[in-house]
Amino acid sequence: NAGVMQNPRHLVRRRGQEARLRCSPMKGHSHVYWYRQLPEEGLKFMVYLQKENIIDESGMPKERFSAEFPKEGPSILRIQQVVRGDSAAYFCASSPPARDRGLSGLGTDTQYFGPGTRLTVL
Amino acid sequence: AQKVTQAQTEISVVEKEDVTLDCVYETRDTTYYLFWYKQPPSGELVFLIRRNSFDEQNEISGRYSWNFQKSTSSFNFTITASQVVDSAVYFCALSEADLLLVRTGANNLFFGTGTRLTVIP
Repeated sequence: NAGVMQNPRHLVRRRGQEARLRCSPMKGHSHVYWYRQLPEEGLKFMVYLQKENIIDESGMPKERFSAEFPKEGPSILRIQQVVRGDSAAYFCASSPPARDRGLSGLGTDTQYFGPGTRLTVL
Repeated sequence: AQKVTQAQTEISVVEKEDVTLDCVYETRDTTYYLFWYKQPPSGELVFLIRRNSFDEQNEISGRYSWNFQKSTSSFNFTITASQVVDSAVYFCALSEADLLLVRTGANNLFFGTGTRLTVIP
């Protein structure tokens, strides 16, 4: 029963290059979240996606960052023209679809996190 | 506005001591969820517990226990008889259950800044 998978685990880019981070959710999960963890800080929400839809991107920087979750394949977080300040750990989490929630109905399901991608911008 | 405060930045204890990690939260929602995650030195995030706002029962799981007190907006985490393997950064997180968002499933987590626990052998 594979967990959330992220690759690569480590990514080094030079300023101005593009970074592509991939996330495969747990089997049966259709909700994907991306978070960023700057050094010595907690995680900050970036974007929430369902298949082929961006539901909430309120935490995503307006420029250079984009995310997708296609019908087939992993979710991709793309950072164009990276800068040193983009150096961070990027975590993906997944949770099951709402219909699979228990009798509690409301709210939230547990998000299970991947191992993260550590991006270093030189 | 939501906020999670983990006032203890770093804690060191000697093996076998008990240790409590504090978490205080702020939310305007009446329905919300609280979580604890562990981040060991290897870097991944390990889910420990989820608690909803309607359930104030304390929970115990082996050496771990959680004390949820709505009156003080706290959700503290205690490790009994700590072990070296407990050394990690522990994060408390909050998710609100906005009824409109529930339909879409949106429930992004707001994290505290974490408490780094070091257990000394």
